[in-house]
Amino acid sequence: KAGVTQTPRYLIKTRGQQVTLSCSPISGHRSVSWYQQTPGQGLQFLFEYFSETQRNKGNFPGRFSGRQFSNSRSEMNVSTLELGDSALYLCASRLTESSYNEQFFGPGTRLTVL
Amino acid sequence: GNSVTQMEGPVTLSEEAFLTINCTYTATGYPSLFWYVQYPGEGLQLLLKATKADDKGSNKGFEATYRKETTSFHLEKGSVQVSDSAVYFCALSGETSGSRLTFGEGTQLTVNP
Repeated sequence: KAGVTQTPRYLIKTRGQQVTLSCSPISGHRSVSWYQQTPGQGLQFLFEYFSETQRNKGNFPGRFSGRQFSNSRSEMNVSTLELGDSALYLCASRLTESSYNEQFFGPGTRLTVL
Repeated sequence: GNSVTQMEGPVTLSEEAFLTINCTYTATGYPSLFWYVQYPGEGLQLLLKATKADDKGSNKGFEATYRKETTSFHLEKGSVQVSDSAVYFCALSGETSGSRLTFGEGTQLTVNP
């Protein structure tokens, strides 16, 4: 069974631009979560989607948004990029939204903002 | 709110040495506890988990016991290998936080031959 895939793997943008990252969960998984990983702040939860609905949201500004499609694939968007948005963005999928289900992480998208 | 504190790193050991990485947590109720490992250039992999007090999670020679009385979930391995070199994250999923994971700072482990 294929794992969680994220595209693109690397991205370079400039301040003020916007970016869209994509995540394809493991087949059959309906929950997708997004995390931001930076050296300074560590791993922080962005949001979770289940059945196309946002179920949980972390403490990030409104510039960070996401959505989930009917096939469970998810995208996250960051508008008006800032230097501090440079990070590794990780996507994780799980079978359902139950906290007892293991979350499987993708390799991440490395975003660099210049 | 929920929080996880890991021992300060990095940790450098010789092959076959004993490993302990300390992890303590703050959470209401009875969270589920996890250890994740991240190898260079990769995402996170679940190493082991425990969902209730006194549970012991184990995998690939690593162990951790959910200690409610000390709010701890320390990771141990009796004999580390060079291939264990990675960053280790302690995490929790709280009763009131739904599915979101709260992570510790991560501990870089380097094992020398």
